[in-house]
Amino acid sequence: AQSVTQLDSQVPVFEEAPVELRCNYSSSVSVYLFWYVQYPNQGLQLLLKYLSGSTLVESINGFEAEFNKSQTSFHLRKPSVHISDTAEYFCAVNTGFQKLVFGTGTRLLVSP
Amino acid sequence: DVKVTQSSRYLVKRTGEKVFLECVQDMDHENMFWYRQDPGLGLRLIYFSYDVKMKEKGDIPEGYSVSREKKERFSLILESASTNQTSMYLCASRTTGTGENSPLHFGNGTRLTVT
Repeated sequence: AQSVTQLDSQVPVFEEAPVELRCNYSSSVSVYLFWYVQYPNQGLQLLLKYLSGSTLVESINGFEAEFNKSQTSFHLRKPSVHISDTAEYFCAVNTGFQKLVFGTGTRLLVSP
Repeated sequence: DVKVTQSSRYLVKRTGEKVFLECVQDMDHENMFWYRQDPGLGLRLIYFSYDVKMKEKGDIPEGYSVSREKKERFSLILESASTNQTSMYLCASRTTGTGENSPLHFGNGTRLTVT
């Protein structure tokens, strides 16, 4: 069965510093991978997704994630974070059968 | 923009009550989902529906049921609420028009407290 592991429950960082949020998955078949973001008191929004092709995918707000098949990882990175990036970030894998499996989430805390 | 609306932002119910959580989407999406979100556990799928009157159990369906009489509406029912069902409930929808990889669109959640 597919699963997703987000090892870091919380990542504190100072504004303008780089950040990496880790995600590892397990799957015996081809996967489609996603990062969702949840801002305070809101539902989740799609941040970016990997379907096929280039292993580096980017979002419109400066985040990027790299699909690494050999390490079964899909880490999320941003070279310089803003206060407004404070949110919870969820990695997810498409298991087929119209279902997504989510990780347990990583809370990004950006301080001035 | 897709809009997924959950009827209540906060609910407080007593143990044993029957509870209805309502969700409506306005984009004619085929698939709808109910998740619960708990700290340290992430999102867990309760039930989903891929069409009107169709439903499938997710990973944690015990204690819940669902209803989808119309395409735009997907209801989650707690037949007899218990304190361990205190949680944040998130509804989501998705089109199948672009295949398995179309994104989920989430509502803002209903925070249910059972006392």
